[in-house]
Amino acid sequence: ILNVEQSPQSLHVQEGDSTNFTCSFPSSNFYALHWYRWETAKSPEALFVMTLNGDEKKKGRISATLNTKEGYSYLYIKGSQPEDSATYLCAFRDDKIIFGKGTRLHILP
Amino acid sequence: NAGVTQTPKFQVLKTGQSMTLQCAQDMNHNSMYWYRQDPGMGLRLIYYSASEGTTDKGEVPNGYNVSRLNKREFSLRLESAAPSQTSVYFCASSVKGYQYFGPGTRLTVT
Repeated sequence: ILNVEQSPQSLHVQEGDSTNFTCSFPSSNFYALHWYRWETAKSPEALFVMTLNGDEKKKGRISATLNTKEGYSYLYIKGSQPEDSATYLCAFRDDKIIFGKGTRLHILP
Repeated sequence: NAGVTQTPKFQVLKTGQSMTLQCAQDMNHNSMYWYRQDPGMGLRLIYYSASEGTTDKGEVPNGYNVSRLNKREFSLRLESAAPSQTSVYFCASSVKGYQYFGPGTRLTVT
């Protein structure tokens, strides 16, 4: 059974601070790694699709890196804002897609 | 452009009843998916359809059937609902790896 682990489960960050969290996944049969942002009472929204070892993607203040050989990806948020409060999901894809349980990010004013 | 739509938004069923959850997308995507989301479990794939006319099982297919009616529509059927199927169901479609999710259907089985 494939396991996709996200840590930490929950995180409180002061507004203006930068933060990062981790997604760990199997290092074999890798096809792609997805990151999603999921606000309460809304649907998950795609942030990044990463396919190559060493990939770095950026969207505004959010960026992500990928290491397929060791099976991890980091998501970074620079200068956290209240609107960054959400659950961040990663999903590992080989012939199926397996989601992690998410990191719940709370930005403190 | 409505994106991915799901009906109904909420449903309460009695054990043993059947129902179909509807999903439609207007983005001309080939791939469509059904997930369930349970507390502490994350999103789990029930079934997916890589293209019109094809369907495949995901991680948790038992108790469900699907139909890819045409390119736009992908329905999920519960033939005999059980309390263990109480969940929030999300439909998604994808292109170039990016998945676009519908608003979800909250289903309670009593």
